[in-house]
Amino acid sequence: QITLKESGPTLVKPTQTLTLTCTFSGFSLSTNGVGVGWIRQPPGKALEWLALIHWDDDKYYSPSLKSRLTITKDTSKNQVVLRMTNMDPVDTATYYCAHSLYRLLLGNWFDPWGQGTLVTVSS
Amino acid sequence: SYELTQAPSVSVSPGQTARITCSGDALSKQYAYWYRQKPGQAPVLVIFKDSERPSGIPERISGSSSGTTATLTISGVQAEDEADYYCQSADSSGTSYVLFGGGTKLTVL
Repeated sequence: QITLKESGPTLVKPTQTLTLTCTFSGFSLSTNGVGVGWIRQPPGKALEWLALIHWDDDKYYSPSLKSRLTITKDTSKNQVVLRMTNMDPVDTATYYCAHSLYRLLLGNWFDPWGQGTLVTVSS
Repeated sequence: SYELTQAPSVSVSPGQTARITCSGDALSKQYAYWYRQKPGQAPVLVIFKDSERPSGIPERISGSSSGTTATLTISGVQAEDEADYYCQSADSSGTSYVLFGGGTKLTVL
């Protein structure tokens, strides 16, 4: 059974850097075709993809947020970390991590997701 | 950069068929994926690769795609189907760049 859980601060101040950790079990991030993605959802709004890291350490970022994001993995600890710099109140959202599968010509899809963690940006 | 467009809301009576569409140029080249999200819960994958169902998803939930439009169909709608539904595909930058639609709220009357 695959499970993922997000952890990190629930409140950050504007201009600070957010660091979120996704701790997972039930799969290995060194397995071909496997990845972990981060997706966020502002209150009452739609899902927004942020970043994705693959088994081979290839990394992909939302073009609109690329300059602020860094995704890394620690395969031995079964963790993926997302860093987002220069946080702003508009970044207030529930942040999800999700297990991803990648297949050539099929792209990526997410299944399952973690429960999410609400991050509020406020002074 | 591509975009995926969904109608904000769809309403159907119990027992009827709900059709939720997702439109965008990306869909003419890439597969569509669908997620269901109930209030206060994380999204759940209900359709992958346009029309495949993960294990545990009932047969009355189906998907199709033609041209630049993907459709999620829920037959015999039940009260438990009331949720937000999001489509997902790949962006023009490459198949590893992810795109979500704006979501459709399905209301069961």
